[in-house]
Amino acid sequence: AQSVTQPDIHITVSEGASLELRCNYSYGATPYLFWYVQSPGQGLQLLLKYFSGDTLVQGIKGFEAEFKRSQSSFNLRKPSVHWSDAAEYFCAVGVSGTASKLTFGTGTRLQVTL
Amino acid sequence: DADVTQTPRNRITKTGKRIMLECSQTKGHDRMYWYRQDPGLGLQLIYYSFDVKDINKGEISDGYSVSRQAQAKFSLSLESAIPNQTALYFCATASGGTDTQYFGPGTRLTVL
Repeated sequence: AQSVTQPDIHITVSEGASLELRCNYSYGATPYLFWYVQSPGQGLQLLLKYFSGDTLVQGIKGFEAEFKRSQSSFNLRKPSVHWSDAAEYFCAVGVSGTASKLTFGTGTRLQVTL
Repeated sequence: DADVTQTPRNRITKTGKRIMLECSQTKGHDRMYWYRQDPGLGLQLIYYSFDVKDINKGEISDGYSVSRQAQAKFSLSLESAIPNQTALYFCATASGGTDTQYFGPGTRLTVL
């Protein structure tokens, strides 16, 4: 079965600084990978996804993620963080062709200091 | 209007009570899901449905049941609520073949 690890429970960055959130997955074949963001009191919003093709994926709000098969990673990046990016971020892996089920990581809470 | 709506948004109930959480979507998706979120645990899949006649258990279905009344409606029931079912519950929908899931705003359920 697939699994997802987000090793950082909580990260604090200064506004304007760069950001990288780590995500490692375990799955035998090429997975479908997702990053979602959850603002306080809100549902989950899709930031970006990787299905195939170019391993560098652009998303909304200036986020990008890079799929690295050799490292089983799909890290989320943003060159300059804004205070409004403070939220919880979830990485998820899906297995197409089986049951379209997602396995979520436990999340990384991002705090942005001014 | 939101594409995926959940009612109620907040609910406080007592142990042993029957509770129903409802989800409706206007996205025309055939797949619908129920998750629960607990702090530090991420989201766990309770039940999922690929169409009205297809309902499947997820990782943590014990103590829960579902009903797919129509393509656009998927309800989650707690027949006899217990305190450890206190959590944030999310409904999600997806279009077959893309696996991108779209989430509702969530229902915060407290069982006393």
